[in-house]
Amino acid sequence: DTEVTQTPKHLVMGMTNKKSLKCEQHMGHRAMYWYKQKAKKPPELMFVYSYEKLSINESVPSRFSPECPNSSLLNLHLHALQPEDSALYLCASSLSAAPEQFFGPGTRLTVL
Amino acid sequence: GENVEQHPSTLSVQEGDSAVIKCTYSDSASNYFPWYKQELGKGPQLIIDIRSNVGEKKDQRIAVTLNKTAKHFSLHITETQPEDSAVYFCAASGETSYDKVIFGPGTSLSVIP
Repeated sequence: DTEVTQTPKHLVMGMTNKKSLKCEQHMGHRAMYWYKQKAKKPPELMFVYSYEKLSINESVPSRFSPECPNSSLLNLHLHALQPEDSALYLCASSLSAAPEQFFGPGTRLTVL
Repeated sequence: GENVEQHPSTLSVQEGDSAVIKCTYSDSASNYFPWYKQELGKGPQLIIDIRSNVGEKKDQRIAVTLNKTAKHFSLHITETQPEDSAVYFCAASGETSYDKVIFGPGTSLSVIP
């Protein structure tokens, strides 16, 4: 298996909802990433997990809560989001000692 | 911190022509330079990369060159095809997964049949 999968593909939520995004890879990668991408912009790093531990948090608001339950799975829990949080949320993974990152297809999130 | 600039922001070429996208970076400590292709509705796909100990790398119709002294690197696509139409991002980082990848603003390439 040589790909990163993300579910759901699309998500619409209200500002009071709680939802979660899921990312999975079976390439044996031990570094996993969450990025946020607005239209016509490059991806912006949110979080980095290395060996299931959070190693980088790019000052992301607490309404975004990441979780790495095991080496293959990465979740992003969402609560009390704002309309400006609407974006494409991308997951990526890489070997622990290598910089090459492989991206999933993303979850298109709309906050009403 | 690192800053990556990319030009042009949009590029339109006839099918069969070549396309060149240029990037500059600011941090001399960066030594890994990937290029990503993002098609509409999809995630970025790593298409080619180069490390600082190499000046040029080629993979079929795509090639990347790096001038570390001048801190610039370029993507060359030859014999362009309509399926090459996408947004291309250059990026710069250190050599490990712990190094933050800094992306350029992107180039929207259109290949006209």
